[in-house]
Amino acid sequence: GAVVSQHPSWVICKSGTSVKIECRSLDFQATTMFWYRQFPKQSLMLMATSNEGSKATYEQGVEKDKFLINHASLTLSTLTVTSAHPEDSSFYICSAREWVREGDYNEQFFGPGTRLTVL
Amino acid sequence: GENVEQHPSTLSVQEGDSAVIKCTYSDSASNYFPWYKQELGKGPQLIIDIRSNVGEKKDQRIAVTLNKTAKHFSLHITETQPEDSAVYFCAASRATDSWGKLQFGAGTQVVVTP
Repeated sequence: GAVVSQHPSWVICKSGTSVKIECRSLDFQATTMFWYRQFPKQSLMLMATSNEGSKATYEQGVEKDKFLINHASLTLSTLTVTSAHPEDSSFYICSAREWVREGDYNEQFFGPGTRLTVL
Repeated sequence: GENVEQHPSTLSVQEGDSAVIKCTYSDSASNYFPWYKQELGKGPQLIIDIRSNVGEKKDQRIAVTLNKTAKHFSLHITETQPEDSAVYFCAASRATDSWGKLQFGAGTQVVVTP
């Protein structure tokens, strides 16, 4: 089956620093990738949708200048949390979707998540 | 936009019994309904999904039913085992959304006791 990896699996950083999280589709080309944030005991909250080669579309309330998303290739998307603060500590999960044909209900394949702790 | 409600929030069952989780959705244009299982500290894993042109789908001990008229769908797990303990999320998506964005329910913590 389709595999999505994330790196790193966990990261601890100091307040004010920036952190980059990578999301890779290992055995398929992901035309669309999604970034989610999940707080303890809560559901997944979509942060942004990115299509290869174009700017990401952010959900309402998500600061695009704080959460920089780059989807430079069909197998790699990155999320950079800039000037991280303790309230940014969360579980960040990416997913990838392979577009096959119009109207196809392609499932999203999720990565294992990245635990970010900002001190 | 789409709103997905999921019940119950927690579910405790004895090993061997059945577990049922229910979700309702608000957007009648939604036509793809996946279910995900998330274990602690891991990403969600798709366990079963159903399209709007089908009323029921089964995969071994797991089944999903869809009632388009009432706009609700349910996950059924039979003969539960301790390894079924996890958080389960339902989701909905519409084909007219070319990106296939998913709207998730709040999740159900399932605990299977031996």
